[in-house]
Amino acid sequence: AQSVTQLDSHVSVSEGTPVLLRCNYSSSYSPSLFWYVQHPNKGLQLLLKYTSAATLVKGINGFEAEFKKSETSFHLTKPSAHMSDAAEYFCVVSVGGSQGNLIFGKGTKLSVKP
Amino acid sequence: DAMVIQNPRYQVTQFGKPVTLSCSQTLNHNVMYWYQQKSSQAPKLLFHYYDKDFNNEADTPDNFQSRRPNTSFCFLDIRSPGLGDAAMYLCATSREKREFAYEQYFGPGTRLTVT
Repeated sequence: AQSVTQLDSHVSVSEGTPVLLRCNYSSSYSPSLFWYVQHPNKGLQLLLKYTSAATLVKGINGFEAEFKKSETSFHLTKPSAHMSDAAEYFCVVSVGGSQGNLIFGKGTKLSVKP
Repeated sequence: DAMVIQNPRYQVTQFGKPVTLSCSQTLNHNVMYWYQQKSSQAPKLLFHYYDKDFNNEADTPDNFQSRRPNTSFCFLDIRSPGLGDAAMYLCATSREKREFAYEQYFGPGTRLTVT
């Protein structure tokens, strides 16, 4: 069965410092993995996705994530945090099959201090 | 721009008074989803339509129903809202093809308040 674990419920960084949001997954086959961001009272926006192509995936707003099969990890990084990055981030794995249901992690709230 | 639209963005209803939330899409995706998201939690899938085929999650209360009259529109009906149904309701769409990795496109959500 597929599952996703986000290792930190809350991460706080200073503006201009690196961001690391950690995610581990469990899947019985090669998964599709996503990171979504949600700003307060907004819907979810796709940051990036891994679909068995390049293991280093670049997304929007300077974010990237590296798929590491040996570690079953898909951590999200950004070299320099911006105040506008403050939001909730969800790591998600696709169940697959014909209808592609998603399994969500519990989310990591990112705070950015000035 | 192709997108997922939800109306209204904010909905207030009274305890026990039926309410309908709507979702429309211009992406021509054949799969549409409804999620419930409570404060500080991940979205929880309620049900989805694969074309006209309705798929209910096992733990979705009977109080929640859905209709999809055509490809573009999908509705969430809450027959008798309780205080515990206050939440953000998210609509999403996707294409069913494996090569698109089942990426889901989300609307902005409807915040439901029950008084």
